[in-house]
Amino acid sequence: DSGVTQTPKHLITATGQRVTLRCSPRSGDLSVYWYQQSLDQGLQFLIQYYNGEERAKGNILERFSAQQFPDLHSELNLSSLELGDSALYFCASSTASGGASETQYFGPGTRLLVL
Amino acid sequence: KNEVEQSPQNLTAQEGEFITINCSYSVGISALHWLQQHPGGGIVSLFMLSSGKKKHGRLIATINIQEKHSSLHITASHPRDSAVYICAVPYNFGNEKLTFGTGTRLTIIP
Repeated sequence: DSGVTQTPKHLITATGQRVTLRCSPRSGDLSVYWYQQSLDQGLQFLIQYYNGEERAKGNILERFSAQQFPDLHSELNLSSLELGDSALYFCASSTASGGASETQYFGPGTRLLVL
Repeated sequence: KNEVEQSPQNLTAQEGEFITINCSYSVGISALHWLQQHPGGGIVSLFMLSSGKKKHGRLIATINIQEKHSSLHITASHPRDSAVYICAVPYNFGNEKLTFGTGTRLTIIP
């Protein structure tokens, strides 16, 4: 158990809908990272938040947005969903803002299926 | 952007065999990560290293910064080691975003 929690574990929805994925980092971790893992693209970095502020952005679509709240939990909002958004979405956390220079602890993931 | 290549893509071995998984990247880095993804999907960080060698139990990770290459070794492999092993490096030197290899699917047969 990494200490990172994600809800829900599974989500089935329809094209055009909007969903919110939630992540709670390990106690004391200030950074939260969001990743998408699809069958054809593999793991891809979406976005990082550090202590409530956006720190780094990857290949995140404009239909996707995220935020980190004062209690450090984070939400990833996916809107106008398309079939291609079906994927595993992982959240990870780390102590500071170092990203690639820090060990990241991964949550169990949310499996999203868009029908 | 750093290009990450892993080999082999798939590896099947008998229990007890010594396993080597390789990772090559194209641009200088500050650190390299090895991750393990279980059949159920969960991801565990195994190592983060910037030079030399690290060991944890039966797992050993090495990195050669000059050659831009890292290896993950598993000694006395066991069926519970069956998983996908993923290498990850920064997008480029000084960039803190991770880019991932496509993974090596390891199957250990009893």
